[in-house]
Amino acid sequence: GESVGLHLPTLSVQEGDNSIINCAYSNSASDYFIWYKQESGKGPQFIIDIRSNMDKRQGQRVTVLLNKTVKHLSLQIAATQPGDSAVYFCAETYSGGGADGLTFGKGTHLIIQP
Amino acid sequence: DAGVTQSPTHLIKTRGQQVTLRCSPKSGHDTVSWYQQALGQGPQFIFQYYEEEERQRGNFPDRFSGHQFPNYSSELNVNALLLGDSALYLCASSLEVIYEQYFGPGTRLTVT
Repeated sequence: GESVGLHLPTLSVQEGDNSIINCAYSNSASDYFIWYKQESGKGPQFIIDIRSNMDKRQGQRVTVLLNKTVKHLSLQIAATQPGDSAVYFCAETYSGGGADGLTFGKGTHLIIQP
Repeated sequence: DAGVTQSPTHLIKTRGQQVTLRCSPKSGHDTVSWYQQALGQGPQFIFQYYEEEERQRGNFPDRFSGHQFPNYSSELNVNALLLGDSALYLCASSLEVIYEQYFGPGTRLTVT
């Protein structure tokens, strides 16, 4: 079946560097995408979202890029900090067919090196 | 402003038993979704409740059922527990539509 997946299970970066986490989605009908951060023992925390009529959206230290041509989503974190260490999930859904559940990928574990 | 709360935090059950998990949505939210997260995996959508009715359901058997109360809180019931039901069960709330679903801390269910 169609699902959202991630390219790398683990990403290690130096503190202060920029991080880029990638996500490939296969459902071309998906029109809403979200990035979540999940720390150990906690539920997923909303980071940023983007709708299919946009290709870029910026938040505080984070930017999400959407490339619908190749069905690719990325999360850029500027000047990574120790508190950014977590598992990051992309999620997608199609808002027009009553399918209100989010489809999650398996996650990328971001490790910040001191 | 309280976020999404879930109870209990942890639960241990035996195969064949039944379990009920509870969720209170974020203040102002009226829609509750339930997800199952196996270790090392992303959350899997179970179902969503809005106006006290199941609005959408993922690929889960009928052993998984739910309920939403007039105050928007919700319960997830799982009957005839299997070892494979061991997971973190997450509740997420939103306002009317799925945008910006906010998750609770989850209930860790262990089936032995």
